[in-house]
Amino acid sequence: GESVGLHLPTLSVQEGDNSIINCAYSNSASDYFIWYKQESGKGPQFIIDIRSNMDKRQGQRVTVLLNKTVKHLSLQIAATQPGDSAVYFCAETPVSGYSTLTFGKGTMLLVSP
Amino acid sequence: GAVVSQHPSWVICKSGTSVKIECRSLDFQATTMFWYRQFPKQSLMLMATSNEGSKATYEQGVEKDKFLINHASLTLSTLTVTSAHPEDSSFYICSAPDRLSSYNEQFFGPGTRLTVL
Repeated sequence: GESVGLHLPTLSVQEGDNSIINCAYSNSASDYFIWYKQESGKGPQFIIDIRSNMDKRQGQRVTVLLNKTVKHLSLQIAATQPGDSAVYFCAETPVSGYSTLTFGKGTMLLVSP
Repeated sequence: GAVVSQHPSWVICKSGTSVKIECRSLDFQATTMFWYRQFPKQSLMLMATSNEGSKATYEQGVEKDKFLINHASLTLSTLTVTSAHPEDSSFYICSAPDRLSSYNEQFFGPGTRLTVL
C-alpha cells in the first residue's frame, strides 16, 4: 500500500540552530498533513497541520512547507531548543471526518546545548 | 485542546493472560476512536478503528479475535489483548477526533506500555 516516508532517521543540531525535518509521501489523494512530536514514552503531540490547498503554514517557531509536485513535506523549527528533542512524525490523511492517519517512519531530533 | 486518557499507563502480564486497556475522551464525545501499536524505534501502525455502538474495523493483518475492541459509550473505548504473548509487547496508543476542531483533529492518549513475560 501507499505510505509516508522520511529521508533522515536522525538529525543532530546545536541549540539555537534551525532544524529542517523532511517527509516524502506517496498518496496523491491525501489532502491533509500533520506533524507530530513524540517524546519518549508519550503519545504524539500535535505540532502543526496543513491542507493540500496551501504550500506554507507558520506557527510559533515552526513552519510547514508542502510541495505537492514532488510530494514532499517539511517541518522547520526555528531556534531549536533542547526541549525540542524528540521523534517527529509526519502523517497524512484524506480530507473528511474521522479519516485514518498514515504515519511516516519518524525522525529523531537531538538538540545539543 | 481536547484530552484523551489511557489506563493503565503500563502493565506487565504473564504469557497467556488477557489485558484490557482503556481509552477515554475526557472533555468531548468521540463516536470514533483509533488504536495504534508502536514497537521500539518504529512508527505508529493503525490497528483498528473503534466505532461507538457498532463493530470495530480492523486493519489488514490484525486479528480481531485477539485484539477485542469495545466502544460502549461516547467517551470510552477498550482494547483487550487476549492470550497475550511476548510478541504482543508494545506501546499501544489510542486517538480520538474531536468533531468541533478543525479537520476533525485527532487527539492522542499518552499510551500504554504492555510487557508480556
